[in-house]
Amino acid sequence: QKEVEQNSGPLSVPEGAIASLNCTYSDRVSQSFFWYRQYSGKSPELIMSIYSNGDKEDGRFTAQLNKASQYVSLLIRDSQPSDSATYLCAVTKAGNNRKLIWGLGTSLAVNP
Amino acid sequence: GAGVSQSPSNKVTEKGKDVELRCDPISGHTALYWYRQSLGQGLEFLIYFQGNSAPDKSGLPSDRFSAERTGGSVSTLTIQRTQQEDSAVYLCASSLDNRMNTEAFFGQGTRLTVV
Repeated sequence: QKEVEQNSGPLSVPEGAIASLNCTYSDRVSQSFFWYRQYSGKSPELIMSIYSNGDKEDGRFTAQLNKASQYVSLLIRDSQPSDSATYLCAVTKAGNNRKLIWGLGTSLAVNP
Repeated sequence: GAGVSQSPSNKVTEKGKDVELRCDPISGHTALYWYRQSLGQGLEFLIYFQGNSAPDKSGLPSDRFSAERTGGSVSTLTIQRTQQEDSAVYLCASSLDNRMNTEAFFGQGTRLTVV
């Protein structure tokens, strides 16, 4: 089992719809959770971080964390073609070893 | 500078030659990562420097790959006797790496082509 798993996609949604991206992780002591967006040919950029169970909203983005079920999700409301990218989930553990562990990413296509 | 800086942006080298890739992290960031990314693929972890701790080299694919971080700041990734399969984008990222701030920020990458 991979430490951080994501569906590779592609996930295709129409413009204006809600895109839902999911990520599961294997280590229960994971503490910090991040969503990055990577456009083709560009470096990953941080879009959301979440540390506590529940929802965290930032504009059209909502991150949801459920530590009991070991998953974190990203919802994108009112999806735009400019949201088309690969979304990477990353996780760090508590304690002294805080190395980021990455999923392979989910490709999202928002169709006009 | 304000962000992570990598140089060169592009490097074309002949098979068998050595190359050095440089990363200047964000000032004050104690953690530094190197990743490799091939076209259409995910991030491949190479090495993680965390403060004064021994680096985590578990991702280096062969002994041709090595990395140093001098003075807790600038890092150099060296690939000896390059092979065509080394062609990829090499990404560097840095992080404050304390209990509350473990997110990483990426440089623009170095695209390495081995011909």
